[in-house]
Amino acid sequence: EAQVTQNPRYLITVTGKKLTVTCSQNMNHEYMSWYRQDPGLGLRQIYYSMNVEVTDKGDVPEGYKVSRKEKRNFPLILESPSPNQTSLYFCASSLPAKGVANEQFFGPGTRLTVL
Amino acid sequence: LAKTTQPISMDSYEGQEVNITCSHNNIATNDYITWYQQFPSQGPRFIIQGYKTKVTNEVASLFIPADRKSSTLSLPRVSLSDTAVYYCLVGDGSSNTGKLIFGQGTTLQVKP
Repeated sequence: EAQVTQNPRYLITVTGKKLTVTCSQNMNHEYMSWYRQDPGLGLRQIYYSMNVEVTDKGDVPEGYKVSRKEKRNFPLILESPSPNQTSLYFCASSLPAKGVANEQFFGPGTRLTVL
Repeated sequence: LAKTTQPISMDSYEGQEVNITCSHNNIATNDYITWYQQFPSQGPRFIIQGYKTKVTNEVASLFIPADRKSSTLSLPRVSLSDTAVYYCLVGDGSSNTGKLIFGQGTTLQVKP
């Protein structure tokens, strides 16, 4: 089944404790992206990757890191999480990036709480 | 990336047709218009995409006037399960760009 998977689905952690949220897709997509969703603010893009070893900042990259060593994986790293990073996170992938012209496939989401 | 404006929320009743309009005054020649649907605690799901005139699929229709400065997503005979947030995106389809802006979307509440 074609899908985007994220792990963990739920995570409660404390301020300053490094964490990684994994994202994997099995559709051989070149493009992958991370979003966060907060009430009243909609979906905001954190980072995206046009292909392996190519990453770039979205609208809200502060406090996050990403890596793209393989085509299928795009982990989101929070080196020192803070409470304002409490949010619902989504990973997405699509065929070669052509702006919005390619359908984005989203993962199920990761609900992160930073105490 | 062209900025889009949508109503924050809309209410409807089961069986009615719902039209959600998105304004995108700065749309560029190469831009496509794409709509996504998002249910609570789920990732957005692609609904429909168009460039001009009218596009229809099994879920919805998309109407785009000649000047392309707005577009209307039409959901025929909605049911309670169509209660969701709907996002309009506009962006360049001819060159590689990874930045996407979803905005706040339109929250559609379908009532019995």
